[in-house]
Amino acid sequence: QLQLQESGPGLVKPSETLSLTCTVSGGSISSSSYYWGWIRQPPGKGLEWIGSIYYSGSTYYNPSLKSRVTISVDTSKNQFSLKLSSVTAADTAVYYCARQRYSSGWASGWGQGTLVTVSS
Amino acid sequence: EIVLTQSPGTLSLSPGERATLSCRASQSVSSSYLAWYQQKPGQAPRLLIYGASSRATGIPDRFSGSGSGTDFTLTISRLEPEDFAVYYCQQYGSSPPTWTFGQGTKVEIK
Repeated sequence: QLQLQESGPGLVKPSETLSLTCTVSGGSISSSSYYWGWIRQPPGKGLEWIGSIYYSGSTYYNPSLKSRVTISVDTSKNQFSLKLSSVTAADTAVYYCARQRYSSGWASGWGQGTLVTVSS
Repeated sequence: EIVLTQSPGTLSLSPGERATLSCRASQSVSSSYLAWYQQKPGQAPRLLIYGASSRATGIPDRFSGSGSGTDFTLTISRLEPEDFAVYYCQQYGSSPPTWTFGQGTKVEIK
């Protein structure tokens, strides 16, 4: 059974870099059938796609965040990671990792989410 | 960039009633690339419908999706207590790959 688990600091200072890792179990991150993505949700608001990566290392980012986002994959550990630089309070959100179907995009597996607060 | 607009923002209904949720795209979307999710408080979203009308694994048949082009609909035929939640539509753009969500519709108990 597929499981995704986000991990990383729950508190990040303004102007610093937010770093999260998603560990995948019950499935291979090297599968050609999926993208692996990050989605966030500010408190009380809707869902925002941050970016996604394919097992080959190809990355795709939300244009509104592209200048600050880096997503990478470690196939040996079955993990992928998110780095978001120069954070502000507006980046406070629950961050989800998800498995997204290649060529059709729907996300059938999600992590439980992790709240990241940006505050000094 | 395709924008998805969901309506209404909030739907107040009673258990047993029918819920009709709308998702309108700013330009035509391939039905293959349109999905619906359910999210309950404190939980991750759950895939309900993919390809505009196909139910995901384990989703009850009271949930159905329809539509094409710019207008898509999620219908819950008879609301069960566990169906009160927020629903999001999502579109996948293939060149380059992008993902866009609607702002959500909250289905609340009347």
